[in-house]
Amino acid sequence: NAGVMQNPRHLVRRRGQEARLRCSPMKGHSHVYWYRQLPEEGLKFMVYLQKENIIDESGMPKERFSAEFPKEGPSILRIQQVVRGDSAAYFCASSPRTGRMNTEAFFGQGTRLTVV
Amino acid sequence: DAKTTQPTSMDCAEGRAANLPCNHSTISGNEYVYWYRQIHSQGPQYIIHGLKNNETNEMASLIITEDRKSSTLILPHATLRDTAVYYCIVSGIQGAQKLVFGQGTRLTINP
Repeated sequence: NAGVMQNPRHLVRRRGQEARLRCSPMKGHSHVYWYRQLPEEGLKFMVYLQKENIIDESGMPKERFSAEFPKEGPSILRIQQVVRGDSAAYFCASSPRTGRMNTEAFFGQGTRLTVV
Repeated sequence: DAKTTQPTSMDCAEGRAANLPCNHSTISGNEYVYWYRQIHSQGPQYIIHGLKNNETNEMASLIITEDRKSSTLILPHATLRDTAVYYCIVSGIQGAQKLVFGQGTRLTINP
C-alpha cells in the first residue's frame, strides 16, 4: 500500500507564475489535508478536503491560493501569481473516513516550492 | 495557537530511553494527545496517541498523568535515527483534522 504521494518534490517558479502541487492520498483514504511549513517554522494547517468538498479552509490565505479534491484524480493545491514569501515546504496528509473514530494522519514527503 | 508546551531541545545517549515531556494544562475531556515527529525535512510521522490511559506501540510509550494536564513520550532504546523534532498535539476526537503544530522538541541522539 503506497503512502501519500506528492509531486513534484521540488518546484521552482518565477515571481508571478502559477504553482500546482499534487497529492494522491493513501488507498482508501477520502480525507486530505494541506499544511505549509515556512523555513525554520512549524507546520501550519491550510485546508481540509473530502472528495469534491472543501470542509475547512480557515488556514488558506484569502487570495491566490485554492485547493480541490476532485472525484477522480489527486488533490491539487494551486498558487497563482507566486511571490517570494510563498517559498516553503507544502505537505499533504490523508486519513481514512473519520466518523466518530480518532484517527492519525499520514503525511507525504512534501513539495518544496522555491520562488525566484 | 498550540495548546501544548514542550522543551525546545533535548539530548539523549544512544541506547538509553528518551523521555520527552509535554504540558497541556487546558486539555478538555474529549481531546486526545497525539505525538508526531519530523525527521530532518521529511513529512511528519505519526507516533502514538492516547486519551487518558497509558499507551504503547512498537515505536514508543505514552504516559498521561491522571489529571491529563501533562504527558511523556518514551522512546525506550533511542537510536541515531530517532534524531528529529517531536511534536505533542492536542486534538479532538476526529484527530486527523487541523493539527496544530507548535515548535516541538528537537531531540538529538548522541553516539
